[in-house]
Amino acid sequence: EDQVTQSPEALRLQEGESSSLNCSYTVSGLRGLFWYRQDPGKGPEFLFTLYSAGEEKEKERLKATLTKKESFLHITAPKPEDSATYLCAVRSNDYKLSFGAGTTVTVRA
Amino acid sequence: GAGVSQTPSNKVTEKGKYVELRCDPISGHTALYWYRQSLGQGPEFLIYFQGTGAADDSGLPNDRFFAVRPEGSVSTLKIQRTERGDSAVYLCASSLTKGAFAEAFFGQGTRLTVV
Repeated sequence: EDQVTQSPEALRLQEGESSSLNCSYTVSGLRGLFWYRQDPGKGPEFLFTLYSAGEEKEKERLKATLTKKESFLHITAPKPEDSATYLCAVRSNDYKLSFGAGTTVTVRA
Repeated sequence: GAGVSQTPSNKVTEKGKYVELRCDPISGHTALYWYRQSLGQGPEFLIYFQGTGAADDSGLPNDRFFAVRPEGSVSTLKIQRTERGDSAVYLCASSLTKGAFAEAFFGQGTRLTVV
């Protein structure tokens, strides 16, 4: 059974204070690791897909990296609008995602 | 509409009652997914439709849960004899083709509270 564990559960940052979120996973055959952002009362919003170890993707202040056992989401010089819950998910077949519990990031001005 | 629409946004029901949750996917999206998100947890897979047929309903917790998509567009998740443990946010997502999660869109969810 696929397992996804995210840490920390919550992260409080000062504006401009860079940090990283961790997603460790166990899956029988990885067919993509996904990062989503979820704001309160909203559905998850797609950020990145990574497929193979060593791959990196960037979008504004966010950068996602992937190894064979974990993925990191790096937030560089965060702003208050980066406050959200960040979800990691793995896909092991054509259509099913297994999500972690998420990391709730709060960025204070 | 431009996105996935779910109605109602909130539903409060008494234990033992029957509820229906509706999902209007993006026009033309053949793949539709239902997930359930409990407080402080990530979404959990319930069921996947390709067109009108439920291709995988292995995530439905028990036989009180049932979902349909009769015309390959709108889907309804039905819960019979609701229990307090069914309280959660029910999310629907759609994508043009199966597994195209990079292009999948989630609705805002229906928050179900069973009292």
